[in-house]
Amino acid sequence: RKEVEQDPGPFNVPEGATVAFNCTYSNSASQSFFWYRQDCRKEPKLLMSVYSSGNEDGRFTAQLNRASQYISLLIRDSKLSDSATYLCVVNSVSGGSYIPTFGRGTSLIVHP
Amino acid sequence: ETGVTQSPTHLIKTRGQQVTLRCSSQSGHNTVSWYQQALGQGPQFIFQYYREEENGRGNFPPRFSGLQFPNYSSELNVNALELDDSALYLCASSLVEGTDTQYFGPGTRLTVL
Repeated sequence: RKEVEQDPGPFNVPEGATVAFNCTYSNSASQSFFWYRQDCRKEPKLLMSVYSSGNEDGRFTAQLNRASQYISLLIRDSKLSDSATYLCVVNSVSGGSYIPTFGRGTSLIVHP
Repeated sequence: ETGVTQSPTHLIKTRGQQVTLRCSSQSGHNTVSWYQQALGQGPQFIFQYYREEENGRGNFPPRFSGLQFPNYSSELNVNALELDDSALYLCASSLVEGTDTQYFGPGTRLTVL
């Protein structure tokens, strides 16, 4: 089993739709969690951190479920500009250092 | 823009050669991480430097090595290039390790022939 797993998609949704992605992780001792967005042939950019209590930023909501070892990202009222690959990142500790592990990303295509 | 720059943008090498990629972090960011991203995959963690010392490493062989300098610049060196080393190489800087936000550079696309 991979350390961090994401459904690669693509998720093909119409404008205005609500879409949700999950990301599962295998290391129960993982410390911190993030969602990044990566546009085609560009570098990843932080979308939001993920907290145990859940957090919201406009149309985006992130949740962490430690018991089931997954994080989620919900996008409401999808825009064409939301089309991108969404990467989850899980930070674990190994030998006293943080080791970040990215999922392979989930591709989202929002169409008119 | 993230304030993180990388050079060169593109590079073509042949198998067996050596390559050095460069990164300039945001001023004040003491941590730099390097990643390899193959097509259709997420970034794979190579290693991290904090205050000029390696303090974390992913599953990459010793022919991948690095340096971090006091002026917030860093290097990734790859010896004995293999065809599978063809990828986008990303550096990311952060203020502190671990839980902090990482700011990525635009990457260097390496092709090994």
